Amino acid sequence: DAGVIQSPRHEVTEMGQEVTLRCKPISGHNSLFWYRQTMMRGLELLIYFNNNVPIDDSGMPEDRFSAKMPNASFSTLKIQPSEPRDSAVYFCASSDRGQFGGYTFGSGTRLTVV
Amino acid sequence: DAKTTQPTSMDCAEGRAANLPCNHSTISGNEYVYWYRQIHSQGPQYIIHGLKNNETNEMASLIITEDRKSSTLILPHATLRDTAVYYCIPQETSYDKVIFGPGTSLSVIP
Repeated sequence: DAGVIQSPRHEVTEMGQEVTLRCKPISGHNSLFWYRQTMMRGLELLIYFNNNVPIDDSGMPEDRFSAKMPNASFSTLKIQPSEPRDSAVYFCASSDRGQFGGYTFGSGTRLTVV
Repeated sequence: DAKTTQPTSMDCAEGRAANLPCNHSTISGNEYVYWYRQIHSQGPQYIIHGLKNNETNEMASLIITEDRKSSTLILPHATLRDTAVYYCIPQETSYDKVIFGPGTSLSVIP
């Protein structure tokens, strides 16, 4: 298994532009989580899905952030418009509701908004 | 959600056992204790979890006190590759939302 796959690995964009981050969870995993990590705030849970349905989006910082999971093998996190304070590493993770092995995280997307 | 207390940082000599403590005095009866670690520039990695009994796998051992108010993660023979931030997290299920605290920054010294 290739694990959780995130793309792109690095993204540099100008303030005001739309940014889309992508995640492919492990096949068979039915829970998916988006996290953001900064030096100041650590790892923050933004939103999570069970069986493609958003369960808790209370961590999404503003309306500029949106996430979708159109099917079990793909999720996106979109920022529109982006701002410099959105610069962070964004992680996606997945887990299997039937197992107790913890989450599997992707390698992250490092976003820089200039 | 149960809160945890971990040392901010710890050092360990290479080849020695690293013992990382965690206090989780408000853990509920159906919450497991999960441990993750994050090596610099990588995503967090699941290590081990337990409910009441001590657990061991190829990465580490987990010792949970009888009252379940604290636990210790043991890396039996620490290597330089074990330098990372270690997070102790009470969690009901594998798909429960996981809230990361600041964790313990472990430095393994040659």
